[in-house]
Amino acid sequence: QQQVKQSPQSLIVQKGGISIINCAYENTAFDYFPWYQQFPGKGPALLIAIRPDVSEKKEGRFTISFNKSAKQFSLHIMDSQPGDSATYFCAAPFRGSQGNLIFGKGTKLSVKP
Amino acid sequence: NAGVTQTPKFQVLKTGQSMTLQCAQDMNHEYMSWYRQDPGMGLRLIHYSVGAGITDQGEVPNGYNVSRSTTEDFPLRLLSAAPSQTSVYFCASSMGLLSGNTIYFGEGSWLTVV
Repeated sequence: QQQVKQSPQSLIVQKGGISIINCAYENTAFDYFPWYQQFPGKGPALLIAIRPDVSEKKEGRFTISFNKSAKQFSLHIMDSQPGDSATYFCAAPFRGSQGNLIFGKGTKLSVKP
Repeated sequence: NAGVTQTPKFQVLKTGQSMTLQCAQDMNHEYMSWYRQDPGMGLRLIHYSVGAGITDQGEVPNGYNVSRSTTEDFPLRLLSAAPSQTSVYFCASSMGLLSGNTIYFGEGSWLTVV
C-alpha cells in the first residue's frame, strides 16, 4: 500500500526558532508535494506546495525543500510564531487518481512564547 | 461560494445503525473524496470519485459506501455502524492536481459510535 512517512510526530519550538518537518514518499504518478496546516476543530488547509520543476519553494516564512533522488521533502518554518501552533501534514499524489492525496500521519507543532 | 459543505457536524450513532454523511461542493470540481482522521493516523482515504457516476476505493473502504449521481454531491453511507468507525470525517474536492489545482476540504463531521 502506498505510504507517506512523516517525522517527527510532535515538535516543540521556541518563538523565533526554526521548525523542520520531514517527509518521505514512495513512487507517485506525478510530482506534486503539498503541506497542509490544520487547526483544532477545522479541516486541513493548503499551506504550501511544490511541483517538479524546482527543488525549493519559499512563501514568506515557509519553505519546502525537495530531494527527488532521495524521495524526500521537508517543510521549514522560519521565525516560528505561537500562531503557527497547529498540526502539519505532508502529502503525495495517490496512485489511483490524479485528484487525490495520500497523507503522512501529521506533526503537532507547538511554538512556545 | 460556500466551497465544500458537510453535514451533520456532529453525530452519535448506536452500533448497527446506519447513516449518511452529506457532502456538497459548489466549485464544479470533478474529483471528490472522503477521508477519515484518527489520532496519530493522519488522514486516510476512504472512497473517491473522478466524476459523476464513477467511484472507487481508497485506502480504507470497508464498511462504507458511496455514490456520485451529480457533480455537486458525494454522500458517504455507513450501513451498519461499528465503534471502529468513530472518527472525524472530511470530504474534499478538486479539479485535479496535474493542472495546478489543489484539494479543498470541508470542516469535518465528528462521528461517535457507541
